[in-house]
Amino acid sequence: DGGITQSPKYLFRKEGQNVTLSCEQNLNHDAMYWYRQDPGQGLRLIYYSQIVNDFQKGDIAEGYSVSREKKESFPLTVTSAQKNPTAFYLCASSLQGARTDTQYFGPGTRLTVL
Amino acid sequence: AQKITQTQPGMFVQEKEAVTLDCTYDTSDPSYGLFWYKQPSSGEMIFLIYQGSYDQQNATEGRYSLNFQKARKSANLVISASQLGDSAMYFCAMREGISSASKIIFGSGTRLSIRP
Repeated sequence: DGGITQSPKYLFRKEGQNVTLSCEQNLNHDAMYWYRQDPGQGLRLIYYSQIVNDFQKGDIAEGYSVSREKKESFPLTVTSAQKNPTAFYLCASSLQGARTDTQYFGPGTRLTVL
Repeated sequence: AQKITQTQPGMFVQEKEAVTLDCTYDTSDPSYGLFWYKQPSSGEMIFLIYQGSYDQQNATEGRYSLNFQKARKSANLVISASQLGDSAMYFCAMREGISSASKIIFGSGTRLSIRP
């Protein structure tokens, strides 16, 4: 079945550590996105990528980094520079990132800083 | 300025009744798209329905329909014959422009609870 997978489902991090969240899709979509969701809030865009080896900052990119070496994969690293990383992280993809393209989401990763 | 406004933080509806979730948006771009997503307690975002700014008719997908009032900048989601499984958070979202680099902006959501 085609879809988006994220791993791990739950992640615990000590302060000062970097952690990487995985996002893989087999939908043959060109565009991929990372969002952060805080309790009771909507989604905020962290980074997005329209094509392999290219990505752009979203609204809250500080303290995060990404790479897009393969079309299927868009890992997100939460660095120690991110002051308040505890949140729910959602990865999404869309066909080409055009106005009409629907974004489809993975199941999410819940990150907790201890 | 907030671009997507959902004024109902929470709603309770009796099973089998219809429910309308409000969404207003703000944009000066004549070309945009509007989306509704459902987020159950599991956390995954589920796409429900899409409306383009140039679409002449209101979008419908099964029990979901979008009441699109362009002049009022309103894109309310209507769920007919609500079911217990409809209990979830619902998010309205907008994408502006025709550029492939355009982003989706989400509202703060409405929590819908269906009573048996």
